[in-house]
Amino acid sequence: AQSVTQLDSQVPVFEEAPVELRCNYSSSVSVYLFWYVQYPNQGLQLLLKYLSGSTLVKGINGFEAEFNKSQTSFHLRKPSVHISDTAEYFCAVTSRGSGSRLTFGEGTQLTVNP
Amino acid sequence: DAGITQSPRHKVTETGTPVTLRCHQTENHRYMYWYRQDPGHGLRLIHYSYGVKDTDKGEVSDGYSVSRSKTEDFLLTLESATSSQTSVYFCAISGPRVSGNTIYFGEGSWLTVV
Repeated sequence: AQSVTQLDSQVPVFEEAPVELRCNYSSSVSVYLFWYVQYPNQGLQLLLKYLSGSTLVKGINGFEAEFNKSQTSFHLRKPSVHISDTAEYFCAVTSRGSGSRLTFGEGTQLTVNP
Repeated sequence: DAGITQSPRHKVTETGTPVTLRCHQTENHRYMYWYRQDPGHGLRLIHYSYGVKDTDKGEVSDGYSVSRSKTEDFLLTLESATSSQTSVYFCAISGPRVSGNTIYFGEGSWLTVV
């Protein structure tokens, strides 16, 4: 079984400040990790993914995430946020042989204030 | 765009009535999924399909059934809708191996059961 915990349900920040959204996972097998973003009344858009190789993964919109196997974490970071980054962010995990069935965290609402 | 169309996008129905949501893809992908999204729960897998007429249950399958008679269509049916099934429903498809198990989502179907 696999699970995901997003450690913060809401993260308020000021524009141009750095942000980190935290994600921890548990799984007994090798994992693939994803971050998705959801803007109001829209579907989920893939931000970035870790499959293998380099533990630092760069995604769209200036976001990056680091896979840390020893800490079973996959935190999402951005050095300087914009108002337009206000959205809900979901961390998700799947594993080899699971048919790409994703297990999601509960989401983190990022609110960027002027 | 991942070539996923959900219909209807919005529906209000009465308790006890049957409801069918349709997911149509133009990508010819093998795997298709139905998730529901509820506040505080993230997205949870209802049912998934790994080919025509091959389906299986996810973590919240009670009260739902699915069918896949063609590669491009995956139907989700609520046989007798209840208020607890008021939710946003997302269809997803899984890309080919070359894309690393990436899952792409439709725009969602908002269902209200009154």
